[in-house]
Amino acid sequence: ETGVTQSPTHLIKTRGQQVTLRCSSQSGHNTVSWYQQALGQGPQFIFQYYREEENGRGNFPPRFSGLQFPNYSSELNVNALELDDSALYLCASSLGGTGGGSQVTQYFGPGTRLLVL
Amino acid sequence: GQSLEQPSEVTAVEGAIVQINCTYQTSGFYGLSWYQQHDGGAPTFLSYNGLDGLEETGRFSSFLSRSDSYGYLLLQELQMKDSASYFCAVSRAAGNKLTFGGGTRVLVKP
Repeated sequence: ETGVTQSPTHLIKTRGQQVTLRCSSQSGHNTVSWYQQALGQGPQFIFQYYREEENGRGNFPPRFSGLQFPNYSSELNVNALELDDSALYLCASSLGGTGGGSQVTQYFGPGTRLLVL
Repeated sequence: GQSLEQPSEVTAVEGAIVQINCTYQTSGFYGLSWYQQHDGGAPTFLSYNGLDGLEETGRFSSFLSRSDSYGYLLLQELQMKDSASYFCAVSRAAGNKLTFGGGTRVLVKP
């Protein structure tokens, strides 16, 4: 069973630039959630994708966008980067859906640490 | 909106017992989860409570009281490797959209 992987591990960008972060979900999982974790704080929910459709969004501006592909891997795109976007970006995969097939556990990847200068 | 409160830091010695409390306010509640995160690492799942009561998983136990909007994580027989941050998180549906607390940093001393 392959765990959740993310790339790149670290990234340095400047204000105004755009960034794309990637996530491969755990084998058999159809749901990917993205979180932003600032230093010393808990992860903050950005959005979730279930079977290639956005399935809920947190309190983040539209310049945060995402995609999920048919193999359930996912991308997080951030446009017009700001200094406050510097954080650890985590993706988590789970088995979503209705009824007994859904899991309550989310499996997190190692994260991408983004620094915006 | 949703909010979760948990202590910011706890220090204890090896072999001791630590209880991390979590109180929450949320519109819609499905369950309370606990995650552990070592410095520089990813959050890893520890425990989940969907119903009132105690769930025991080895040295870790978690408790939930839905009527009190309160839960706790109990760490027993503390080991040095338990030094980490512990997060409570509420979900409003199965397996998704976790709202995390600010985390409790546990420092285990010899």
